[in-house]
Amino acid sequence: QKEVEQDPGPLSVPEGAIVSLNCTYSNSAFQYFMWYRQYSRKGPELLMYTYSSGNKEDGRFTAQVDKSSKYISLFIRDSQPSDSATYLCAMSEEITGGFKTIFGAGTRLFVKA
Amino acid sequence: ETGVTQTPRHLVMGMTNKKSLKCEQHLGHNAMYWYKQSAKKPLELMFVYNFKEQTENNSVPSRFSPECPNSSHLFLHLHTLQPEDSALYLCASSQRGEKVGEQFFGPGTRLTVL
Repeated sequence: QKEVEQDPGPLSVPEGAIVSLNCTYSNSAFQYFMWYRQYSRKGPELLMYTYSSGNKEDGRFTAQVDKSSKYISLFIRDSQPSDSATYLCAMSEEITGGFKTIFGAGTRLFVKA
Repeated sequence: ETGVTQTPRHLVMGMTNKKSLKCEQHLGHNAMYWYKQSAKKPLELMFVYNFKEQTENNSVPSRFSPECPNSSHLFLHLHTLQPEDSALYLCASSQRGEKVGEQFFGPGTRLTVL
């Protein structure tokens, strides 16, 4: 079983739709959960960061973590064509000497005007 | 220049060539990383450097050779690569003691091996 599972998509939605992106994981030691956004021809950039179960909201974006189910989600409200990108989930645990981060494969999102 | 920069942005090389990828971070971070990103696969961590010392080598073939002369610069020397090594190579940096797992990425070098 992979440590992190993420549906690669692609996911195509109309402008204004609510988008739900998800990842599951198997390592219960993960404590820090992130969503990165990657535009074409660019490196990933951090979008959301959380270290506990529950919801975190930032503008149109809401990150949700359910540690009991080992499931994280990213919701995008009122999606815009500029949200078209690949979204990578990532999760980290602290280990001796530093930390270990595992990334999902990324979900490609297309928002049509 | 701000953030993390990488050169070249695109590279085409034959299997017998030797080339190098360069990464520079302008964030004052003390850890730097090389990742390989292939289509529809998760980011694969290749190397980690903390304070110029290599702390992780994720079973990377010896045809990839990293070099970290100081905490701001990171190189990846390439020789006798294979076509399956074609991918986007991403450099990242982070600051130990800050948010665990948060990394800042460069734009990547798109490598094609013929």
